[in-house]
Amino acid sequence: GEDVEQSLFLSVREGDSSVINCTYTDSSSTYLYWYKQEPGAGLQLLTYIFSNMDMKQDQRLTVLLNKKDKHLSLRIADTQTGDSAIYFCAESWEGGQNFVFGPGTRLSVLP
Amino acid sequence: DAGVTQSPTHLIKTRGQQVTLRCSPKSGHDTVSWYQQALGQGPQFIFQYYEEEERQRGNFPDRFSGHQFPNYSSELNVNALLLGDSALYLCASSLDRNTEAFFGQGTRLTVV
Repeated sequence: GEDVEQSLFLSVREGDSSVINCTYTDSSSTYLYWYKQEPGAGLQLLTYIFSNMDMKQDQRLTVLLNKKDKHLSLRIADTQTGDSAIYFCAESWEGGQNFVFGPGTRLSVLP
Repeated sequence: DAGVTQSPTHLIKTRGQQVTLRCSPKSGHDTVSWYQQALGQGPQFIFQYYEEEERQRGNFPDRFSGHQFPNYSSELNVNALLLGDSALYLCASSLDRNTEAFFGQGTRLTVV
């Protein structure tokens, strides 16, 4: 079955890099996503990666995909207090929009 | 472009009542999906509408139903509300089979 797992909490100092990890079980998933949710808000798409890619970089964000280990990570460089939020990893399949989300990782950025 | 808009933002209902939540997709989007996000959890897929038909459905009981209108807006209906239905209900819109989905701010439903 489909299952996405994430560690629940991460705390970093402002200016440091944050690495948020995710593991998934369905090797047939086609797309893997990172969404950000701030308190009381909906989900904001940060970035996504196709399953045939290993890495994607977008400004301060770097996504790494290890398909063999079914492991996805999001690295945020130079983490700022505005990055404090919950980060969700999600997977979906070709032609579908029925995302399966992980439980979310709460990132706290300390001054 | 207003993005995905949902109404109302907050709602309080009593057990056993029925509720209707509304979603207007991002301009140009034809596919609407609904998710339930319980407190402290990730969103769970309820169902997806495309061309006014339910195209996919998650593991939710028949008390959860929906509708999509010709203008692509959508409603989520929940009958016989239970306390466990208290959650943030999120609507996401996309262009059919496109990889990117945009989420609304959600409707916070509290069942008492």
